Amino acid sequence: ETGVTQTPRHLVMGMTNKKSLKCEQHLGHNAMYWYKQSAKKPLELMFVYNFKEQTENNSVPSRFSPECPNSSHLFLHLHTLQPEDSALYLCASSPRTSGRGFVETQYFGPGTRLLVL
Amino acid sequence: KNEVEQSPQNLTAQEGEFITINCSYSVGISALHWLQQHPGGGIVSLFMLSSGKKKHGRLIATINIQEKHSSLHITASHPRDSAVYICAVRYRKLIFGTGTRLQVFP
Repeated sequence: ETGVTQTPRHLVMGMTNKKSLKCEQHLGHNAMYWYKQSAKKPLELMFVYNFKEQTENNSVPSRFSPECPNSSHLFLHLHTLQPEDSALYLCASSPRTSGRGFVETQYFGPGTRLLVL
Repeated sequence: KNEVEQSPQNLTAQEGEFITINCSYSVGISALHWLQQHPGGGIVSLFMLSSGKKKHGRLIATINIQEKHSSLHITASHPRDSAVYICAVRYRKLIFGTGTRLQVFP
């Protein structure tokens, strides 16, 4: 148990559906992250939030829309997804983000396994 | 070609063996992560290091910034060490290796 929870753990959705992934951290951290892990591909960092402000968006398609209402909660809103978006979506948190060239210890949630039909 | 390369991709070992997993990167960084991902997806951050060596229990991580190389060693391996081990560096953005899948048999 890392102190980072994600719901739902599994999600199946059609391409026309709208759904949201939720992440909550109980660690008092100020930075939160969304990652995508596709089969046989490296982890990809999607978004970074620091003190509720988005500080990184790594060329993620607009059909993925993040929301960070406070430092403890992070959402990923999904709409009109494609089958290739099927993947494991991982949330993580850290005390704060760091400058470029520095990697800070992050605490990961268990992930949401998404299947888009 | 990925900026972060790990070797080997797959590794099997007998319980008790000494294990080494390697990570090489081609960009300039100041720190590197080793992560452990268990079946089912959960990821645990094992080490963050910027120079020299760190040790935690049976795990040892080393990094050579000049040679752009890091190693993760597991001493006295155990079946519960079976997982995917991932190396990650930050260069403009966080870049991950594809992972090394380790299976330790009793």
